[in-house]
Amino acid sequence: QKEVEQNSGPLSVPEGAIASLNCTYSDRGSQSFFWYRQYSGKSPELIMFIYSNGDKEDGRFTAQLNKASQYVSLLIRDSQPSDSATYLCAVTLPGAGNKLTFGGGTRVLVKP
Amino acid sequence: NAGVTQTPKFQVLKTGQSMTLQCAQDMNHNSMYWYRQDPGMGLRLIYYSASEGTTDKGEVPNGYNVSRLNKREFSLRLESAAPSQTSVYFCASKVQNHPLNTEAFFGQGTRLTVV
Repeated sequence: QKEVEQNSGPLSVPEGAIASLNCTYSDRGSQSFFWYRQYSGKSPELIMFIYSNGDKEDGRFTAQLNKASQYVSLLIRDSQPSDSATYLCAVTLPGAGNKLTFGGGTRVLVKP
Repeated sequence: NAGVTQTPKFQVLKTGQSMTLQCAQDMNHNSMYWYRQDPGMGLRLIYYSASEGTTDKGEVPNGYNVSRLNKREFSLRLESAAPSQTSVYFCASKVQNHPLNTEAFFGQGTRLTVV
């Protein structure tokens, strides 16, 4: 079982709609959870992080964490063509020397 | 402030050649990481260094070695390159002592082709 799993997509959404991305993780000791966005040919850049159960909102982005079910999700409201990218979920395991593990990424396509 | 700097940006190697990818950060971060990214895939951890003087294997360490030269620099060496090592390599760094909310900063990547 992979440590962090994501649906590879592509997730196709019309402009203005909500994009919903999911990520599951295998280690219950995971402490911090990150969503990175990566445009084609570029480096990943951080969108949001979350470490407490519940929701965290930042502009059009909302991260949701459910530790009991071991999943974290990202909602993108009012999706724009500029949101078309690959979204990477990442998890830290503090007991493993600050190891930072990524999922395979979900490709999102926002169609005008 | 340069952040995380990787060299070289592009490299073509012949099978069996060796090379070292260099990574340096100027943010006084404790932890540094090397990842590879194959087309259409996420980032796979090769090696990481939680702090100066320590290194640990990630998911895909075979065929690679690393050196944490000092707090700033973390190099990745391919001793005998193979076509399966054709990939984009990313170096990243982050603060160690605040595990709850620290962002990992990435270099621009090294595009390596082994022929």
